[in-house]
Amino acid sequence: DAEITQSPRHKITETGRQVTLACHQTWNHNNMFWYRQDLGHGLRLIHYSYGVQDTNKGEVSDGYSVSRSNTEDLPLTLESAASSQTSVYFCASSESRLWDTQFFGPGTRLTVL
Amino acid sequence: AQKVTQAQTEISVVEKEDVTLDCVYETRDTTYYLFWYKQPPSGELVFLIRRNSFDEQNEISGRYSWNFQKSTSSFNFTITASQVVDSAVYFCARMDSSYKLIFGSGTRLLVRP
Repeated sequence: DAEITQSPRHKITETGRQVTLACHQTWNHNNMFWYRQDLGHGLRLIHYSYGVQDTNKGEVSDGYSVSRSNTEDLPLTLESAASSQTSVYFCASSESRLWDTQFFGPGTRLTVL
Repeated sequence: AQKVTQAQTEISVVEKEDVTLDCVYETRDTTYYLFWYKQPPSGELVFLIRRNSFDEQNEISGRYSWNFQKSTSSFNFTITASQVVDSAVYFCARMDSSYKLIFGSGTRLLVRP
């Protein structure tokens, strides 16, 4: 079955370290998204991509970067992890039209000490 | 910012009670999409429903129903005869003309046996 996976599911790191969270989807979806979930804020968009080599900044992009070298993967990199980036991170994907429904991965819980 | 408001932070009901989760949105767009997602205790985000702004028909799916009213900018979600398995955080979201999902802060539903 086609799916969207995230790894690792849990990560503890130290302030200042570079961290990369993986997102892989087998639906052949064009669009991929990264969100963070914090108590009281719902989900907020970090970065998104509408296709290979396309990346765009979302609402809370500072301190994060993404790259899209193929259809299946959109890794999220925290350049220098900060305690404020402790959160649950969700990857999502949608088919091809910009208004298609987004389907979410299982999430990665990141703790920055 | 054009917000999505879920005023009920937490609701607690006894099994078999009906419960309505409120969602009020702000928009200046004439075309937009509304969504509900469920986040069970296991943490993943499950897509429940999507409506576009031109379709104000109410929707029923089993014990779930949705009431979309453009006049009051609301998209409320009702669970009939609630069950313990309905316990989750429910998120309402709106997709605006920039095709980004704007989430409410979520309503935590606890269904007690």
